[in-house]
Amino acid sequence: GAGVSQSPSNKVTEKGKDVELRCDPISGHTALYWYRQRLGQGLEFLIYFQGNSAPDKSGLPSDRFSAERTGESVSTLTIQRTQQEDSAVYLCASSSSTRPGTHIGKNIQYFGAGTRLSVL
Amino acid sequence: QQQVKQSPQSLIVQKGGISIINCAYENTAFDYFPWYQQFPGKGPALLIAIRPDVSEKKEGRFTISFNKSAKQFSLHIMDSQPGDSATYFCAASTTGFQKLVFGTGTRLLVSP
Repeated sequence: GAGVSQSPSNKVTEKGKDVELRCDPISGHTALYWYRQRLGQGLEFLIYFQGNSAPDKSGLPSDRFSAERTGESVSTLTIQRTQQEDSAVYLCASSSSTRPGTHIGKNIQYFGAGTRLSVL
Repeated sequence: QQQVKQSPQSLIVQKGGISIINCAYENTAFDYFPWYQQFPGKGPALLIAIRPDVSEKKEGRFTISFNKSAKQFSLHIMDSQPGDSATYFCAASTTGFQKLVFGTGTRLLVSP
């Protein structure tokens, strides 16, 4: 597609249930990121995939959060046993850079519209 | 150390005026400073970015001013228009680490 696609756009779930959020990056982009945006706050880094390298999971807030990516395609963010504090917009971004920071133009992260998760 | 502090939280500017948003950082290893613009219901989109080897970068009505010694950078929107009304985020990252550290955002409203 032309941009980063995320689904669903909205998700309402009950506390304790598991949820899966999907991200389709821009075709050809080797890097994929997940961020969390709580109401009125900035974006919080969760996880970063670069090609076939081991992902950078340093931003995942707890072991209830996990993410997978197959090759350079779709990624899924899974939240197990959801809690009310997990309510947020989950944003996915992708970029074409293979050498981070070497060219200002190649470090551009393109964001999807996000998935708004509400945990009741 | 990893935080980027952004101010103000909200800003109202008259059409034609100058909007100024400020950010400050602590981590001297940061070497890439983008600004993102976010409209309601949309993901953030890159507006303009700068590296610390220059003190200013201008693209159309948007200018980043960078003060390396003060560890501060700011976004200036000249001749602000109602269509500029959005939330603006500053961010920073280090070479080799693509994850961006974001400020808390500034909600800009440009009144007609």
